[in-house]
Formats: sequence, structure tokens, C-alpha cells
Amino acid sequence: EAQVTQNPRYLITVTGKKLTVTCSQNMNHEYMSWYRQDPGLGLRQIYYSMNVEVTDKGDVPEGYKVSRKEKRNFPLILESPSPNQTSLYFCASSIGLAYTDTQYFGPGTRLTVL
Amino acid sequence: DQQVKQNSPSLSVQEGRISILNCDYTNSMFDYFLWYKKYPAEGPTFLISISSIKDKNEDGRFTVFLNKSAKHLSLHIVPSQPGDSAVYFCAAASGGYNKLIFGAGTRLAVHP
Repeated sequence: EAQVTQNPRYLITVTGKKLTVTCSQNMNHEYMSWYRQDPGLGLRQIYYSMNVEVTDKGDVPEGYKVSRKEKRNFPLILESPSPNQTSLYFCASSIGLAYTDTQYFGPGTRLTVL
Repeated sequence: DQQVKQNSPSLSVQEGRISILNCDYTNSMFDYFLWYKKYPAEGPTFLISISSIKDKNEDGRFTVFLNKSAKHLSLHIVPSQPGDSAVYFCAAASGGYNKLIFGAGTRLAVHP
């Protein structure tokens, strides 16, 4: 089954404790991205990657890191989480960057930083 | 300032009636628009899109209308079904590639 998976689905952590949220897709997609969803703000892009070893900042990259060492994986790293990073996070992938290349989203990771 | 706005946080509609979800945008460079649907505990899924060269696109019960002069688009669902109850996100893109700017979403409840 074609899908985007994220782990963990739920995470409660404390300020300053490094964490990684994994994202994996099995569709051989070139393009992957991370979004965060906050009430009243919709989904905002954090980082994106157009291919292996190619990543770039989205609209809200502060406090996050990513890496793309393999085509299928695109982990999101919070080196020192803070409470304002409490949010619902989505990973997405698409075959390319054209308008008609549908973005497929993972099920989400709900992160709470205390 | 948000470039894509969905001013109605929620909408309640009776089964069988029409649901109309609205979206406004401020950036005149946007030339492609999409609607995504999201159920609880799932990621958004693509529903329908429209290019700025069109003013209407239809897919079954779903129709998207684009009014470029008003910078406004709407999603019509006819007839509405209980399974349509979800959060609907409007999104826009420009520059020929799908870096999406999302609205805040509208929660649709379709009741029997």
C-alpha cells in the first residue's frame, strides 16, 4: 500500500530534550516536506527536500533541522524543543514539484513540549 | 499576515443539502488552488484543484469555483453526506511548483 508513515504518532516531552520524528514514504517520491498545523493558522511548511541531500527552509524553520540521506526518509529533528513547538506535525511527499503532483500526507504526529 | 483565509471556522449542513466552503486569498501571484479534506487522526487528502485559467472545476459531487477578480474561491458539495464531515483546507500555489500555502481550515458537519 502506498503511504507516508510517521513515528511516533504522539509524543510528550520536556523543554530541551532532543527528539526526532521520523517520516518514510514507499512511493519513490522525490519531494518531501514537513508542516506544522496550529489552530487558526492552518498548515505551515517547516522544511522541504527536493531530492537526496537537497533540503531548504520553508516558512517556519526556526528550531528545526532535517536531513535527507535516503530518498524514502525525511526525519524532523528538534535539537532543543520549546513549548512553542507544541503542535501537530505532518510529513508529506509527492513525485515532483509540478502543480499536478499531488502531495500525500502522513497521519500526523502530535507533539507536546512541557 | 495570512495569504489564504478561510473566515468560517465551522459550517453545519443538513444531509442532502448543499455545502459551500469559502476561501479568500491576497497574493495575486497565486495561480493554482487546491482543496484538501482532513478526518480526525489522519493526514489531509487531496480533494480537488483548479488552475487560474479556469473558473470552475467539477468532480462528482464536488465543484470548485474561482473568482480571480475577487480573489475568492469556493467549494460546493452537492448533495452533502454525513461522510463529508471533516475539516476542509484551502491551499494556493504560485511559480509553477507546488509549495502550498494553506488556509486555517473550515470544519464541516453534515447532520442527518
